[in-house]
Amino acid sequence: GAVVSQHPSRVICKSGTSVKIECRSLDFQATTMFWYRQFPKKSLMLMATSNEGSKATYEQGVEKDKFLINHASLTLSTLTVTSAHPEDSSFYICSARDWGAPDTDTQYFGPGTRLTVL
Amino acid sequence: SQQGEEDPQALSIQEGENATMNCSYKTSINNLQWYRQNSGRGLVHLILIRSNEREKHSGRLRVTLDTSKKSSSLLITASRAADTASYFCATYDTGGFKTIFGAGTRLFVKA
Repeated sequence: GAVVSQHPSRVICKSGTSVKIECRSLDFQATTMFWYRQFPKKSLMLMATSNEGSKATYEQGVEKDKFLINHASLTLSTLTVTSAHPEDSSFYICSARDWGAPDTDTQYFGPGTRLTVL
Repeated sequence: SQQGEEDPQALSIQEGENATMNCSYKTSINNLQWYRQNSGRGLVHLILIRSNEREKHSGRLRVTLDTSKKSSSLLITASRAADTASYFCATYDTGGFKTIFGAGTRLFVKA
């Protein structure tokens, strides 16, 4: 099946720095990718929809300037957490659909990136 | 925003018993999916049921969908300690193409 990778899997940074997380679709083209965040023992909250070649669509309450999303190619979307603070510490997960596959309902999730801001 | 609500929030059973988790949602959907997540790990897709289906099986998993009640259930039969994980339902609504997750059920299977 289709594979989505994320890099890095784990990152620790100092407060005030920016962190970039990459999400790649390895064997299919993804015109749309999704970014979620998950707090410990909580569910996944959709942050934004990343659209290849255009601006991301953010969910209500998600700061656009805080979480910068770039989807410059059909296989790569990046999420940059700018001026990170301890409250941004979370598990970030991306996903994508393979619109070229017979079953476009299946969503493929990356393994997640654990961000810890000190 | 959260779409589905699941109950129970936590469930503790003995190995060999069946585990049932329920999910309710609010909008019209194209399909509903169930995922498993081991602590601190990524999601594992378990099963997808479409809005025109009422029941689906996969191994020890049985999923039902009642669109009139906007609810679904996941049954795990003959549970094993390795089934210990969090289980989430997720809906793909007709209004867009986003997948929204429920709050999840934390299942603990005691050996």
